[in-house]
Amino acid sequence: AQKITQTQPGMFVQEKEAVTLDCTYDTSDPSYGLFWYKQPSSGEMIFLIYQGSYDQQNATEGRYSLNFQKARKSANLVISASQLGDSAMYFCAMREKTSYDKVIFGPGTSLSVIP
Amino acid sequence: EAGVAQSPRYKIIEKRQSVAFWCNPISGHATLYWYQQILGQGPKLLIQFQNNGVVDDSQLPKDRFSAERLKGVDSTLKIQPAKLEDSAVYLCASSLDPLQPQHFGDGTRLSIL
Repeated sequence: AQKITQTQPGMFVQEKEAVTLDCTYDTSDPSYGLFWYKQPSSGEMIFLIYQGSYDQQNATEGRYSLNFQKARKSANLVISASQLGDSAMYFCAMREKTSYDKVIFGPGTSLSVIP
Repeated sequence: EAGVAQSPRYKIIEKRQSVAFWCNPISGHATLYWYQQILGQGPKLLIQFQNNGVVDDSQLPKDRFSAERLKGVDSTLKIQPAKLEDSAVYLCASSLDPLQPQHFGDGTRLSIL
């Protein structure tokens, strides 16, 4: 069974608009962490934002925020005021305590920002 | 601080040949990861080290892949013999500990002819 699901293979957004990238996960572990990474066409993986399962507030980092809905097991990434440089693949990932903190990545969503 | 260093950047070999990749993590990072990323997919963890010990290698094809992290610093990943399906980008990442975000190197793009 897929641990991480990203149902949007490709997304388009107008420059300066906000966009939400979906991520749902499957775990029975009460202690886990959720990450979002960005991978531009150049190939490097860039860490964006982290949410712990016990964190009371949604994580925010600059223009990135994480809409964490624990009961629904979703951790959507919201990018505000999109920029052309945001065009990239975005991966949601989960770390489970019971799996020796192994990190599992989702299949990714390709985001294209349109001028 | 210097990032995760990987070499080579690109490698082209014929099937059944052997190849080795090298990774130098960020100084002080105890946890080191090797991932395989096939085109159009998310990274798949091959092996995770904590210092010089293996934490997880459940998805490492041990009949052809091997990895080591002598002295708990840099690491090498070897494929012998290579198959066509091994064509992928091999990413190395490191973190202070397993709970911290991972920092990735630029990867090695491997093509098998």
